[in-house]
Amino acid sequence: NAGVMQNPRHLVRRRGQEARLRCSPMKGHSHVYWYRQLPEEGLKFMVYLQKENIIDESGMPKERFSAEFPKEGPSILRIQQVVRGDSAAYFCASSPARLAGNPYEQYFGPGTRLTVT
Amino acid sequence: GQQLNQSPQSMFIQEGEDVSMNCTSSSIFNTWLWYKQDPGEGPVLLIALYKAGELTSNGRLTAQFGITRKDSFLNISASIPSDVGIYFCAGQENTSGTYKYIFGTGTRLKVLA
Repeated sequence: NAGVMQNPRHLVRRRGQEARLRCSPMKGHSHVYWYRQLPEEGLKFMVYLQKENIIDESGMPKERFSAEFPKEGPSILRIQQVVRGDSAAYFCASSPARLAGNPYEQYFGPGTRLTVT
Repeated sequence: GQQLNQSPQSMFIQEGEDVSMNCTSSSIFNTWLWYKQDPGEGPVLLIALYKAGELTSNGRLTAQFGITRKDSFLNISASIPSDVGIYFCAGQENTSGTYKYIFGTGTRLKVLA
């Protein structure tokens, strides 16, 4: 049973370019969460999505950042016009819906390390 | 954004020693999770706690959900070199409709053989 998959593992972008980070949840999981981690810090919640719906985006910057979780395919975190301050590790986690399992337990992917030059 | 206070920030211990760390918050939480993160990897779920006062074990790890619901504790018994890593607590606020977690600042554990 494959875990949460994220790609790419490492991404280098120049200032002003776009970054697209992908996350495939564990099989049977329909809830996806994105977190951001700066070096030597804890994880900061960004957004919580279910299939085709954004449930909570209270941690997402208002500009340049967007997320989606389409009916088919992986969840995408998109950062437009990246700046140096966007350099961080971005982690995706997934959990099942209440009827399919325990929605309180989140399982993380290996992360995407974004470097903006 | 809100963060949990986790202590100690870092600790060096001898192999075989027991380890204790804790997390405190000003908010009441419904659920506590404990994770371990190795360098360059994602956090791995260790233990989940759902009720005030609950004590749960996973091998040499034991975690407790504080009675006040504002804190949680993790103990590691008889530490071994592979226990090295960063341990994070995560608390879920008493907010319906979302499973958003607030993460602690981490405890960096180093084990001396």
